[in-house]
Amino acid sequence: SYVLTQPPSVSVAPGQTARITCGGNNIGSKSVHWYQQKPGQAPVLVVYDDSDRPSGIPERFSGSNSGNTATLTISRVEAGDEADYYCQVWDSSSDHFVVFGGGTKLTVL
Amino acid sequence: EVQLVESGGGLVQPGRSLRLSCTASGFTFGDYAMSWVRQAPGKGLEWVGFIRSKAYGGTTEYAASVKGRFTISRDDSKSIAYLQMNSLKTEDTAVYYCTRDVEMATIGAYYFDYWGQGTLVTVSS
Repeated sequence: SYVLTQPPSVSVAPGQTARITCGGNNIGSKSVHWYQQKPGQAPVLVVYDDSDRPSGIPERFSGSNSGNTATLTISRVEAGDEADYYCQVWDSSSDHFVVFGGGTKLTVL
Repeated sequence: EVQLVESGGGLVQPGRSLRLSCTASGFTFGDYAMSWVRQAPGKGLEWVGFIRSKAYGGTTEYAASVKGRFTISRDDSKSIAYLQMNSLKTEDTAVYYCTRDVEMATIGAYYFDYWGQGTLVTVSS
């Protein structure tokens, strides 16, 4: 089955740029979506189809996808961005259809 | 405003059954596929399964871990999606979220644009 690999944690100082990666075999050929989950809350979609933002999501959130790595970039990081982030793809060739990465804990120093 | 409200969670013994409901409002429920996603305590997200809209046959797909034990259905007249869970195992303990699914028609893929707040299912003797 298809596997998505994320770093368990990323740390960044306020005002800096955070980059969270999502690795998968030829992931550049798939559409990648990103979700933010704060403690005790449901996930929220922050980027869909590699690089599009839902309404209400700040422009500071952006995404890219090429080769074997997709990246969620958060510019000018704020304390409120501290959360777990999950990437997701749809893979109908696997037994799971929907695949999530293991999640990355973003810590704002 | 789109709202998804899950209900039906609770404590259940291994081997027993439980049915979760997801009541939707703020959009035309019948136009969308709906998924169930779960999260075990302290763990990541795991997709459970989904049901397509009636326009796409209302068919279902499931994760291998629940196939044959869980069944998803929908009542478009009531805007409710259901998750029937049978033969529950301790490893099914999780918060269960329902989601509204957006289809990317050109590639037949889905993503989840709205999530409910979740309902906790605890499987324990």
